[in-house]
Amino acid sequence: DIQMTQSPSTLSASVGDRVTITCRASQSVSIWLTWFQHKPGKAPKVLIYKASTLDNEVPSRFSGSGSGTEFTLTISSLQPDDVATYYCQQYQTYPWTFGQGTKVEIK
Amino acid sequence: QVQLVQSGAEVKKPGASVKVSCKTSGYTFTGCYMHWVRQAPGQGLEWMGWINPNGGGTFYAQKFQGRVTMTRDTSITTTFMELSGLTFDDTAVYYCAKERWGSSPDPDYWGQGTLVTVSS
Repeated sequence: DIQMTQSPSTLSASVGDRVTITCRASQSVSIWLTWFQHKPGKAPKVLIYKASTLDNEVPSRFSGSGSGTEFTLTISSLQPDDVATYYCQQYQTYPWTFGQGTKVEIK
Repeated sequence: QVQLVQSGAEVKKPGASVKVSCKTSGYTFTGCYMHWVRQAPGQGLEWMGWINPNGGGTFYAQKFQGRVTMTRDTSITTTFMELSGLTFDDTAVYYCAKERWGSSPDPDYWGQGTLVTVSS
């Protein structure tokens, strides 16, 4: 199975800060990586797919980059509504595998 | 708009089975695979498998083969995930996730999750 490693596991930043989350795959997943946001009790919400494509109606402050084994999710200006846990997920190969999550908090 | 609405929380005894439903709307039901993913308390996300609503074909993660059955009812645009032989380790939130139609087979919409608690 492809192992996905996210860092950091928690992140505390101020409103307006630029925030970056990293995801590393144990082998190449090409561009077949998605990022999603998960708030407690809610359905996960996809932000980015194909590593860098912004999903519909996702604010432009979110962006994704990378290919192969190294990926990043950037929030250009952190907002209070962004408090959530963020996950990367590869869909290059079955089984789909996920990063362990990054919990984003407001300082 | 696309909606995936899952059935409510369940409490089951060890050895029992549970069947979770995922009612869909807002898209062509037979056009997109449906995946199931679970998350145990304090643990990571774990992919369980998929069902192709067009024909009912399935593919399960090796870990769950022999214990999981995914089905669908096209008349009510609903998919089901049944897990048998429950143990305490199966206590988790179970999610359905619809695969995107088109060139990128990623999960573009998720259900709200169904908590399954295995307790004696």
